[in-house]
Amino acid sequence: GAVVSQHPSWVICKSGTSVKIECRSLDFQATTMFWYRQFPKQSLMLMATSNEGSKATYEQGVEKDKFLINHASLTLSTLTVTSAHPEDSSFYICSARYRGQNYGYTFGSGTRLTVV
Amino acid sequence: QKEVEQNSGPLSVPEGAIASLNCTYSDRGSQSFFWYRQYSGKSPELIMSIYSNGDKEDGRFTAQLNKASQYVSLLIRDSQPSDSATYLCAERDSGGYQKVTFGTGTKLQVIP
Repeated sequence: GAVVSQHPSWVICKSGTSVKIECRSLDFQATTMFWYRQFPKQSLMLMATSNEGSKATYEQGVEKDKFLINHASLTLSTLTVTSAHPEDSSFYICSARYRGQNYGYTFGSGTRLTVV
Repeated sequence: QKEVEQNSGPLSVPEGAIASLNCTYSDRGSQSFFWYRQYSGKSPELIMSIYSNGDKEDGRFTAQLNKASQYVSLLIRDSQPSDSATYLCAERDSGGYQKVTFGTGTKLQVIP
């Protein structure tokens, strides 16, 4: 149980274009979704937290107009990287909080974004 | 700024040995801690969670928490080559959205 499906698993796009990444909770309702970014040989850095039906809360230094997060339903959250540049190339991972024993967190499989 | 500190490694242990991974955290109010394993190019997978002082065992894994010292550790007994990965320590906020902050991870290499 508590599975999050993340798509696409990898994407290559041209500079200046936008890319949308989807995370769907398959067997539970994800009221809260976290979006992380991970550069090579570095840890996961939290970008933003989203709650269903409300605006996302962005971490310091993360441009909210560049990384658009939509959490319109209890099973779907999306991250759109707008006007992507090569420095946005990274591994993006979503994580959903679910009700279990003392709350658990499950991760999507990640999206490898390469901007050329 | 809450911080979770780990030695980046690599930590090399022979197959069958005990691997000991350590983590310290800055937020004295943190209550919940996690160990994740991450293989290269993959997303993290939960190994164990620990909330109370002391030891928690699950199979070959034992997590240890010392809140007074703000220290969390993970022991892996009978290490296998398949355990070679990066191990991430994480703490969860006690308030707000209960977001999780990760350490930089320790790379473990189990030598056959």
